[in-house]
Amino acid sequence: GDSVTQMEGPVTLSEEAFLTINCTYTATGYPSLFWYVQYPGEGLQLLLKATKADDKGSNKGFEATYRKETTSFHLEKGSVQVSDSAVYFCALSGPSGSARQLTFGSGTQLTVLP
Amino acid sequence: AAGVIQSPRHLIKEKRETATLKCYPIPRHDTVYWYQQGPGQDPQFLISFYEKMQSDKGSIPDRFSAQQFSDYHSELNMSSLELGDSALYFCASRPFGGANVLTFGAGSRLTVL
Repeated sequence: GDSVTQMEGPVTLSEEAFLTINCTYTATGYPSLFWYVQYPGEGLQLLLKATKADDKGSNKGFEATYRKETTSFHLEKGSVQVSDSAVYFCALSGPSGSARQLTFGSGTQLTVLP
Repeated sequence: AAGVIQSPRHLIKEKRETATLKCYPIPRHDTVYWYQQGPGQDPQFLISFYEKMQSDKGSIPDRFSAQQFSDYHSELNMSSLELGDSALYFCASRPFGGANVLTFGAGSRLTVL
């Protein structure tokens, strides 16, 4: 079945540091890939997505590229801010138009220190 | 913009009691998903509905049931509550056949004492 393996946390960085959170997946067919972010006490918010190989999703300075050859979707940000402190979940689902539910990774807690 | 509405936001129950959570999807979204997130855990898929019919089933206990109504809102009913049911329950919605992006509600936090 589908699975997502995510870099374990917690990750602690200083403000303006470079961020990478690794994510690899196992899935049949051509899944869509997502990063969701969860701030303390809040729900899951979509951060970015990619629906086919070599697509790059980007939002709020975060980027991730769908790499089919390495089955990866690593999250990166060049300069993190204190406000980026949250839990980040990598997830996959079926191709566009399918109703397959999301499968989440285990989440990575990011803390950014001033 | 309208979002996914969940109620109640917080619920405290005793063991063996029953709880009902409600989810109101975004207008014109006809597919609803329920997820359970235990403390420090990733969200686990419970069940989904499309056009009032169950479309997929995940790790939902037999003590739980859910349905989607004609106005597309959904309810998750949990009976014989156990301490381990304490979790954040998320509902998400999407338009069927549309972009494969789920929009999540803020969640309902259930505490079982």
